[in-house]
Amino acid sequence: GQNIDQPTEMTATEGAIVQINCTYQTSGFNGLFWYQQHAGEAPTFLSYNVLDGLEEKGRFSSFLSRSKGYSYLLLKELQMKDSASYLCAPLDSNYQLIWGAGTKLIIKP
Amino acid sequence: DAMVIQNPRYQVTQFGKPVTLSCSQTLNHNVMYWYQQKSSQAPKLLFHYYDKDFNNEADTPDNFQSRRPNTSFCFLDIRSPGLGDAAMYLCATSGTREAAEQYFGPGTRLTVT
Repeated sequence: GQNIDQPTEMTATEGAIVQINCTYQTSGFNGLFWYQQHAGEAPTFLSYNVLDGLEEKGRFSSFLSRSKGYSYLLLKELQMKDSASYLCAPLDSNYQLIWGAGTKLIIKP
Repeated sequence: DAMVIQNPRYQVTQFGKPVTLSCSQTLNHNVMYWYQQKSSQAPKLLFHYYDKDFNNEADTPDNFQSRRPNTSFCFLDIRSPGLGDAAMYLCATSGTREAAEQYFGPGTRLTVT
């Protein structure tokens, strides 16, 4: 079967760094997406990894290890506006996104 | 600006009363998706169109139907809404099936009374 595992909730302090982990099992693999979703809003694209390694984009970085079925999203210099859910979504052999339930990130001052 | 538009943003319907949600896009994307998302859950894919080719997920209830009259528009029809159908309905597009970055509309929050 296809399965995504990520923590339900995390708390971090403004200005700090947080790492959100995701492990996955899919039928085939064509890359992995991270999306950000604020409460009551639609998901917005953050990153896409198809090869192993780290992709950096400003304060956000995403890492992929295909052999381990593992990815993480790293958020630096946390701001209050980063309070949101972060959804891990690998792409299976049919090019369909397999969505995790998301990690709710709470930022405290 | 090119975008995905959903109307209405909030929809209230009565139990059993048919309702239609609409989605339009100015991105000229071939693929359009309808998702259902309940609170603190993953988006659940209901249907997707690859151009005019309709793909129904195996576990999508028969109560849900979809139409795509042209490239720009897609509709979600709920024939007899139940209380369990209250959710956020998200429309998304992608340029091709393989270019799988999906662009989402703002969603329609459906309340069933």
